[in-house]
Amino acid sequence: DAKTTQPPSMDCAEGRAANLPCNHSTISGNEYVYWYRQIHSQGPQYIIHGLKNNETNEMASLIITEDRKSSTLILPHATLRDTAVYYCIAHELISSGSARQLTFGSGTQLTVLP
Amino acid sequence: DAGVTQSPTHLIKTRGQQVTLRCSPKSGHDTVSWYQQALGQGPQFIFQYYEEEERQRGNFPDRFSGHQFPNYSSELNVNALLLGDSALYLCASSGLGRGSYEQYFGPGTRLTVT
Repeated sequence: DAKTTQPPSMDCAEGRAANLPCNHSTISGNEYVYWYRQIHSQGPQYIIHGLKNNETNEMASLIITEDRKSSTLILPHATLRDTAVYYCIAHELISSGSARQLTFGSGTQLTVLP
Repeated sequence: DAGVTQSPTHLIKTRGQQVTLRCSPKSGHDTVSWYQQALGQGPQFIFQYYEEEERQRGNFPDRFSGHQFPNYSSELNVNALLLGDSALYLCASSGLGRGSYEQYFGPGTRLTVT
């Protein structure tokens, strides 16, 4: 999997949008951009993934640049419960019966401030 | 629908001992992956089981072994425990085929080696 680079920490005011950047300049054409988050003392939780188009779900939006070298995860209205470590992962899907392992970096500690 | 469950929640062992951790995947999932997460770091992939066989393995010594049962549940065994094995052990499950884009993580087992 390609290496990703994220800032170690960010703050965001409650109710404002949180924009978490990720650089993945060596991403290959068949690697998706995945985002997971880990709230303290819990297992990681899947947020969203995308290949080259922007994606949105009930949790977040994912904006991928046209050259696919970077992306931004957007939490539109951050709440205190969004305080967590956010991991950006470049991950290849395979179609056989097993999923390739996730390679986690250090992630970004997002702190939502009241 | 129960998610991924792990047992026990916490465990304290002495150096040199052996430990077995257990995981039940999310209903409908057939692939189980194990990760080790040291304090302050991202999860590191240990191995993955599918169809009762180890399919992929990370950079972990042979002291780490596993098993998958016909009902898809899995065990992680660690022999000759070292102080450095103290960590949160996470189990993740995923489904079969192209739809398997998301891995669901359990809450983890906190292992302390003294």
